[in-house]
Amino acid sequence: TQLLEQSPQFLSIQEGENLTVYCNSSSVFSSLQWYRQEPGEGPVLLVTVVTGGEVKKLKRLTFQFGDARKDSSLHITAAQPGDTGLYLCAGEHFFYTGANSKLTFGKGITLSVRP
Amino acid sequence: ETGVTQTPRHLVMGMTNKKSLKCEQHLGHNAMYWYKQSAKKPLELMFVYNFKEQTENNSVPSRFSPECPNSSHLFLHLHTLQPEDSALYLCASSQHPGLGNTGELFFGEGSRLTVL
Repeated sequence: TQLLEQSPQFLSIQEGENLTVYCNSSSVFSSLQWYRQEPGEGPVLLVTVVTGGEVKKLKRLTFQFGDARKDSSLHITAAQPGDTGLYLCAGEHFFYTGANSKLTFGKGITLSVRP
Repeated sequence: ETGVTQTPRHLVMGMTNKKSLKCEQHLGHNAMYWYKQSAKKPLELMFVYNFKEQTENNSVPSRFSPECPNSSHLFLHLHTLQPEDSALYLCASSQHPGLGNTGELFFGEGSRLTVL
């Protein structure tokens, strides 16, 4: 079983602050996805990173895939109350045999941004 | 609106009841999934269907019985559940991941199940 450890588990910050959260594993992934889940909703994909060292930006969110493709970070600049939610990372193992790719999810990071 | 609709949103059932969860996707995807989300645990994959065929059963107890009549509809039939089965059950769909594709999942809003 490939485990994805997300940290910190809980984070409560003031509007306007910056933050970085992490997703770590001992396994190498073919790609890694970040989802955000708001209360009462299902997870929604934010980004997929594929190449080691890749950096992707989505407005105030910056995602980085580690060089070895084992870990990822999410940095949020000037957090807003609308950023509140559960942030899930999911690592994908892709099989060239044509079988289903496997997505392994972390437990998630609960972020609360206070106005 | 993600294009994946789940009903009911909330369900309370006794351990001897039989109920079903329904999922419908309007995205033209050919893979559908059931996930279980419990507090303080990672999302657990339960079942995967590709082109209506079950391709994954992740050691799920037989009291959970999936059904996929076509590529757009997925059911989860529930019977003689236990209180520890209380959780949020999420349905998702995706395009069948071929070579070079990444499996982006589109989730429904979930069905919150409480077993008394």
